[in-house]
Amino acid sequence: GQNIDQPTEMTATEGAIVQINCTYQTSGFNGLFWYQQHAGEAPTFLSYNVLDGLEEKGRFSSFLSRSKGYSYLLLKELQMKDSASYLCAIRSFQKLVFGTGTRLLVSP
Amino acid sequence: GAVVSQHPSRVICKSGTSVKIECRSLDFQATTMFWYRQFPKQSLMLMATSNEGSKATYEQGVEKDKFLINHASLTLSTLTVTSAHPEDSSFYICSATRDRENEAFFGQGTRLTVV
Repeated sequence: GQNIDQPTEMTATEGAIVQINCTYQTSGFNGLFWYQQHAGEAPTFLSYNVLDGLEEKGRFSSFLSRSKGYSYLLLKELQMKDSASYLCAIRSFQKLVFGTGTRLLVSP
Repeated sequence: GAVVSQHPSRVICKSGTSVKIECRSLDFQATTMFWYRQFPKQSLMLMATSNEGSKATYEQGVEKDKFLINHASLTLSTLTVTSAHPEDSSFYICSATRDRENEAFFGQGTRLTVV
């Protein structure tokens, strides 16, 4: 099975940098995803890591260490619209399983 | 990008009735589809994984006779909530993947309210 943990809530200030961590235990691994979800909406894709290292895409970066079962999502130059839930998900064999999710609140 | 359409977006039904939710991949063939439910302020909980033409694989604790999943074609999967009760009220979301790819594309979600 899978066990995927994230902090429940985080707060940050507009313009700052925030790092959202995800730790996991899984019996099979075919990649790790980060999604953003606003309340009442479907998740939207942010990033995908299957090899160790950092993937950068604009203001968002995602890091993976498979040996440590660890990933983080880094958000730079935070904007008010970044207030949302951020979901870490593992593709394990046929399944796509989500972590507990982190609610991020960005304040002025 | 790949588009997944989920219908209806909102549905209200009476307790004891059944509700069908459709999930369609509009511009690609979806070899695998996932169904999730989400309670307020919680993450997505995987209910089942379905592959075209075969029976769905349900997660532990999900009643397969209550949540009927059909994946009859490469572009359509349906979830039927049978004999719905108020505790089934939730946000249901489908997602689909293409053959030999890991990224999942999500539908818009369905807000089910059972009264």
